[in-house]
Amino acid sequence: DQQVKQNSPSLSVQEGRISILNCDYTNSMFDYFLWYKKYPAEGPTFLISISSIKDKNEDGRFTVFLNKSAKHLSLHIVPSQPGDSAVYFCAASGSAGGTSYGKLTFGQGTILTVHP
Amino acid sequence: KAGVTQTPRYLIKTRGQQVTLSCSPISGHRSVSWYQQTPGQGLQFLFEYFSETQRNKGNFPGRFSGRQFSNSRSEMNVSTLELGDSALYLCASSLVISGNNEQFFGPGTRLTVL
Repeated sequence: DQQVKQNSPSLSVQEGRISILNCDYTNSMFDYFLWYKKYPAEGPTFLISISSIKDKNEDGRFTVFLNKSAKHLSLHIVPSQPGDSAVYFCAASGSAGGTSYGKLTFGQGTILTVHP
Repeated sequence: KAGVTQTPRYLIKTRGQQVTLSCSPISGHRSVSWYQQTPGQGLQFLFEYFSETQRNKGNFPGRFSGRQFSNSRSEMNVSTLELGDSALYLCASSLVISGNNEQFFGPGTRLTVL
């Protein structure tokens, strides 16, 4: 049972254009969502997060949008740069304690390639 | 501030052996979570420790265990290694602020079981 899904295994974008990465979730107990960037043989690097009480959060070139009714979130990168090429993971957590403590549930990742 | 550190970075073991991996969290972070990353299963939660107590555990067999020390450093142990235990093992630390579960990851330990 995959509770967090990233349905696009890969995305290719031209430098300077917008990259949009999508993520869907099924567990309505999730109330905090995060995006991570990962290079091979390294740990994930935290990018940006959003609480379920918001529908948008911005940090520089990165914006995350949350649509709770659709159980969908997306990460927008504008403008995209070649250095953004990596695997992007969305993750979700709950705050109800118990089985939520310290647990992030990850999607399968999307490989982003930004071409110069 | 120094990031999360993990040792060793690479490890090769044979089936049936046991292994211990170490994680030092960011200074001031009291929660440490462990994850296993494999090509087939992705990133999967193993367990979480806070104030030397395991608060949460993922769906892994009892061969996988861990502990946390009073300085928040954590270790995980895998006994009776199987080929399928070959993976990247990641630990992450967090501050544990209400409503915020941002976790910061170490570089991982690449375990190969032969």
